[in-house]
Amino acid sequence: AQSVAQPEDQVNVAEGNPLTVKCTYSVSGNPYLFWYVQYPNRGLQFLLKYITGDNLVKGSYGFEAEFNKSQTSFHLKKPSALVSDSALYFCAVRDMWDSNYQLIWGAGTKLIIKP
Amino acid sequence: EAGVTQSPTHLIKTRGQQATLRCSPISGHTSVYWYQQALGLGLQFLLWYDEGEERNRGNFPPRFSGRQFPNYSSELNVNALELEDSALYLCASSPTSGGSYEQYFGPGTRLTVT
Repeated sequence: AQSVAQPEDQVNVAEGNPLTVKCTYSVSGNPYLFWYVQYPNRGLQFLLKYITGDNLVKGSYGFEAEFNKSQTSFHLKKPSALVSDSALYFCAVRDMWDSNYQLIWGAGTKLIIKP
Repeated sequence: EAGVTQSPTHLIKTRGQQATLRCSPISGHTSVYWYQQALGLGLQFLLWYDEGEERNRGNFPPRFSGRQFPNYSSELNVNALELEDSALYLCASSPTSGGSYEQYFGPGTRLTVT
């Protein structure tokens, strides 16, 4: 069965420090992986995705994520956190062989950046 | 380019009533997805429409239904509303049903059932 785990409900980081939001996945075939961000009372915004190719993917707002096939992980990173990065972050995965194109979502990680 | 739009922004209904939520996808997008997000929780997949047909549905009772119109807009209907249906309902669209495409989300409709 396909699944996504975001092991941390909340991550606290001081402004200016590097941040990491963790995501691990399980699919039968090869994964398509996505990160989204949700600000309070808003819809989700697409940050970045991994489809194939370079394991390091760069996205919006200075975020990047590293695909690690052996560890089945796709952690979101940013070298220097901003207070405005505080939001709810969702990881999602789709099995490229799933004919239903079902997107499986993680439970979300609340990121709090303290000044 | 206009994004995904949803209406209404807020909807207050009484238990047992019916609610209708509407979504307009990004121009050129044929796939529309509906999600339920209860307060502070993750996304629960409701329905997926593509080219006017229901392609997949999540683990929700039949009183959650919808349709997609020829212009690819969509509506979600929730019958016999229950208190636990109170949530943010998000609509998303993608260019096609291809698996590598990301979904683009609307701002959501906040449904409150009293």
